[in-house]
Amino acid sequence: EAGVAQSPRYKIIEKRQSVAFWCNPISGHATLYWYQQILGQGPKLLIQFQNNGVVDDSQLPKDRFSAERLKGVDSTLKIQPAKLEDSAVYLCATRTEYTGELFFGEGSRLTVL
Amino acid sequence: GDSVTQMEGPVTLSEEAFLTINCTYTATGYPSLFWYVQYPGEGLQLLLKATKADDKGSNKGFEATYRKETTSFHLEKGSVQVSDSAVYFCALGGSYIPTFGRGTSLIVHP
Repeated sequence: EAGVAQSPRYKIIEKRQSVAFWCNPISGHATLYWYQQILGQGPKLLIQFQNNGVVDDSQLPKDRFSAERLKGVDSTLKIQPAKLEDSAVYLCATRTEYTGELFFGEGSRLTVL
Repeated sequence: GDSVTQMEGPVTLSEEAFLTINCTYTATGYPSLFWYVQYPGEGLQLLLKATKADDKGSNKGFEATYRKETTSFHLEKGSVQVSDSAVYFCALGGSYIPTFGRGTSLIVHP
């Protein structure tokens, strides 16, 4: 079974530029999450999708972050404009409804200069 | 809101030493509890889980027991190996929004 795929693995941008991250989930997993992990901290939820609908985006800084999940499969997370404090690893995870286990991608590491 | 608190690291041990990483949670009701592990250069992966009070999760020699009375889910291993060096995350989930602790780095020396 293929895992969660994320790209790009690394991205370096200047502040005020924009960036987009892509996630391809495990086939059949309806629930998808985006987390932000700042160095030395645990993953912090940004947004949760159930199929292509948003379940929770209360922690998403909507003035600069946006996310969508097309046709309930792939998802993209965009930051525009980026700030220095957005430097982090962005994790995509999907959940199996049977056990509640999360499956993570390897993450996209963003550095904002 | 729901939260998870785990002990700060790094935890540094010699090979074959006993390991305990403390984890407590705050939630209304009874979430499922998880330990995830992140090996260097890899993504987070499930180590073990427990879905109800007094359940014991176990995997790869690691164990954790869901203690409702103390709202805890401490991770233990009787004899650690160098290959156990990683960051360990305690989390709550199940029907709850998955919420993670800050992670505890474990370093095991030969």
